[in-house]
Amino acid sequence: GAGVSQTPSNKVTEKGKYVELRCDPISGHTALYWYRQSLGQGPEFLIYFQGTGAADDSGLPNDRFFAVRPEGSVSTLKIQRTERGDSAVYLCASSLGTSGTYNEQFFGPGTRLTVL
Amino acid sequence: AQKVTQAQTEISVVEKEDVTLDCVYETRDTTYYLFWYKQPPSGELVFLIRRNSFDEQNEISGRYSWNFQKSTSSFNFTITASQVVDSAVYFCALTRGDTGTASKLTFGTGTRLQVTL
Repeated sequence: GAGVSQTPSNKVTEKGKYVELRCDPISGHTALYWYRQSLGQGPEFLIYFQGTGAADDSGLPNDRFFAVRPEGSVSTLKIQRTERGDSAVYLCASSLGTSGTYNEQFFGPGTRLTVL
Repeated sequence: AQKVTQAQTEISVVEKEDVTLDCVYETRDTTYYLFWYKQPPSGELVFLIRRNSFDEQNEISGRYSWNFQKSTSSFNFTITASQVVDSAVYFCALTRGDTGTASKLTFGTGTRLQVTL
């Protein structure tokens, strides 16, 4: 079946602009995660959704970052007033979200964001 | 807080050599999971293994083997008879084990493995 997909694969924007990054999770996966991977670093957690609600947004760096998942499937990560330091690969992952057992996270290919 | 340390930034080996990637972790949780992921040049993270904190048995899968030692908080990864296709960045990761449905992953900074002919 289809894996996690992310669009666009690459996004170049200018400092101060607004961007939206989209994640399509694996069908039936109720849990969805966003991570950010800066050059030469490991992925860092941003936010986690269980269904439509953000269960943990402790990794969002500041209020310029926001994410939604209105119907419990597709999620959009929104970044306002982008800064050069926001340049990174943004990774999305999804999992089954079944209680009582560990659910593997499956990662998408990422969106490479470049802020000029 | 959880922390994963991968002290080896980059390793270069010649094909057919064995190589061990080190991972040291810190956590106050009694139940946790440890992982290794591979990130080839294409960029997508590929899951390799998950290990429960209660299971310290070493595991072997083909040319890959993992050594989990709670006494030293280490979860090392060995590739036997390395191949050029093993060239990638390898990440060790940690998550809490008691959150029921899901938990965020804490990654190390990764080890870049370069296998040459």
